[in-house]
Amino acid sequence: DAKTTQPPSMDCAEGRAANLPCNHSTISGNEYVYWYRQIHSQGPQYIIHGLKNNETNEMASLIITEDRKSSTLILPHATLRDTAVYYCIVRVGTNAGKSTFGDGTTLTVKP
Amino acid sequence: GAVVSQHPSWVICKSGTSVKIECRSLDFQATTMFWYRQFPKQSLMLMATSNEGSKATYEQGVEKDKFLINHASLTLSTLTVTSAHPEDSSFYICSVPARSSYEQYFGPGTRLTVT
Repeated sequence: DAKTTQPPSMDCAEGRAANLPCNHSTISGNEYVYWYRQIHSQGPQYIIHGLKNNETNEMASLIITEDRKSSTLILPHATLRDTAVYYCIVRVGTNAGKSTFGDGTTLTVKP
Repeated sequence: GAVVSQHPSWVICKSGTSVKIECRSLDFQATTMFWYRQFPKQSLMLMATSNEGSKATYEQGVEKDKFLINHASLTLSTLTVTSAHPEDSSFYICSVPARSSYEQYFGPGTRLTVT
């Protein structure tokens, strides 16, 4: 699985958009980009995934660059409950579950 | 509602004893489940892949005789930490891949403290 690089921490004001970047310059053509988050002392929660097109769901939007070497997770209106560690993972879509977690980004949403 | 459950949610045991952690898939059958370990302020590390009806596959550096995995049914996998030591104290999390193979559902985790 390709390695990812994320900033260790970010702050965001409540109600504003949170933009979390992820670099995955060695991503292969058949690898998807997945985002999970982990609230303190809980199991990770799936957020969104994509291959090469931008994706949006009820939780977030995922923007993947044309060369697929980086992506950005966007939480459009961050709330205090969005404070968590966010993990960007790249893996083959059929290799479900066997994910390699990096250090992630600790997002702190402030009032 | 929860898709994956773990039991217990936390456990304290004495050094040298064994502890069993259960992971249940509540909504669908799972031929594969995964076990992760997370030390404080660190990321998740995959320990092993639990396979229904066959032996588990362990990641490099994980002692298979110490961390016994049994995938007895399509909805239950168990992780037994044998002869636990304080350095085994950690947050143990299981995950179940979704039918679509794109998502995976994580359990709430089990916090093990070995005294």
